Amino acid sequence: NAGVTQTPKFRVLKTGQSMTLLCAQDMNHEYMYWYRQDPGMGLRLIHYSVGEGTTAKGEVPDGYNVSRLKKQNFLLGLESAAPSQTSVYFCASSQGTANTEAFFGQGTRLTVV
Amino acid sequence: KQEVTQIPAALSVPEGENLVLNCSFTDSAIYNLQWFRQDPGKGLTSLLLIQSSQREQTSGRLNASLDKSSGRSTLYIAASQPGDSATYLCAVPNYGQNFVFGPGTRLSVLP
Repeated sequence: NAGVTQTPKFRVLKTGQSMTLLCAQDMNHEYMYWYRQDPGMGLRLIHYSVGEGTTAKGEVPDGYNVSRLKKQNFLLGLESAAPSQTSVYFCASSQGTANTEAFFGQGTRLTVV
Repeated sequence: KQEVTQIPAALSVPEGENLVLNCSFTDSAIYNLQWFRQDPGKGLTSLLLIQSSQREQTSGRLNASLDKSSGRSTLYIAASQPGDSATYLCAVPNYGQNFVFGPGTRLSVLP
């Protein structure tokens, strides 16, 4: 019973490098989300998806891109990493937002040096 | 835009005390409210989901209430234990598209 799985769990990048974070859910959820969590800032929504093939911008989308080619996967890309993107990234999924729970992955701790 | 606040930001209590955590939201047209727990370095774990038609939801020593008209929810923890030490976050739907989270209350229960 995996739930929401994030890959990788830790990563160190140099400024300007690119990488992709993978989120996979096995609950057949329609909605998926990427949040970042920073000290004193709480959880902020980066991008989200309300179904396969759809994506939308959240509160802090700049510097990130996403794709939802398969229902179970939601990818977060950093094309040119910056130190300001040092954060803990959380993926979540839910069947919707009306009277359904959101389930979270364990997070990816990313450091950009 | 939905905004969520939580009071207090941090709380330290001796073991055995009953305590209340507060969550406020600006848009009362919500379907539900969810409480989460986050341990240091870990992801969020769902504790309770209160639907808009409910006023309370209970799970063990946890009881959550929801007052949509006033834009408030409370999480009551009975007979607190050191294992309850964590950050507690509330979240509400944001116009049916995603979830908005409060900043959390960091709870320390001292043995």
